[in-house]
Amino acid sequence: NAGVTQTPKFQVLKTGQSMTLQCAQDMNHNSMYWYRQDPGMGLRLIYYSASEGTTDKGEVPNGYNVSRLNKREFSLRLESAAPSQTSVYFCASRILPLYGYTFGSGTRLTVV
Amino acid sequence: QKEVEQDPGPLSVPEGAIVSLNCTYSNSAFQYFMWYRQYSRKGPELLMYTYSSGNKEDGRFTAQVDKSSKYISLFIRDSQPSDSATYLCAMSSSSGTSYGKLTFGQGTILTVHP
Repeated sequence: NAGVTQTPKFQVLKTGQSMTLQCAQDMNHNSMYWYRQDPGMGLRLIYYSASEGTTDKGEVPNGYNVSRLNKREFSLRLESAAPSQTSVYFCASRILPLYGYTFGSGTRLTVV
Repeated sequence: QKEVEQDPGPLSVPEGAIVSLNCTYSNSAFQYFMWYRQYSRKGPELLMYTYSSGNKEDGRFTAQVDKSSKYISLFIRDSQPSDSATYLCAMSSSSGTSYGKLTFGQGTILTVHP
């Protein structure tokens, strides 16, 4: 039972490069989320998918796009990376609103 | 002003101490309250989940919610070095445009030294 799996775990990008962060959950959860975590800023919601086939912007969506590929998978894409996107990215899922999240172990991204 | 305020610490205590971690909030619609524990270089994990006011106990951990004061607490009894982590409070409401949206505090860094 893997829970929420994120790949890659670490990545270094040059400014302007693109990449996709992958997230998959095996708990049959309906909702999936992408957060970034920065020192002094806490967890900030980038995008979320309340159910398969829907996506919505969170608190800090600029510079990102998402795809809910199917019920299991939710990817986050950086089209043109900027140093301000250096952060730790967490994917999370939950089965229903008002339930707690299950988080992945994170992707540490550095943009130089 | 942030909807949820949490003292970032850091908080350092000796092994065996009672630890009190706190959050205040401004949104009176919040009804669901959670505490997450995050070890270094790991994702947060759900530690405690409570609904509305009152206390909930799980082993050495007790979560308290005082909705009248908009204040929640997590107590750790007989703290252990393995409790060293960042503790995040989180809360959500079941009504309005914020339905189900989880709002996090900044997290408190706790170190328990032997």
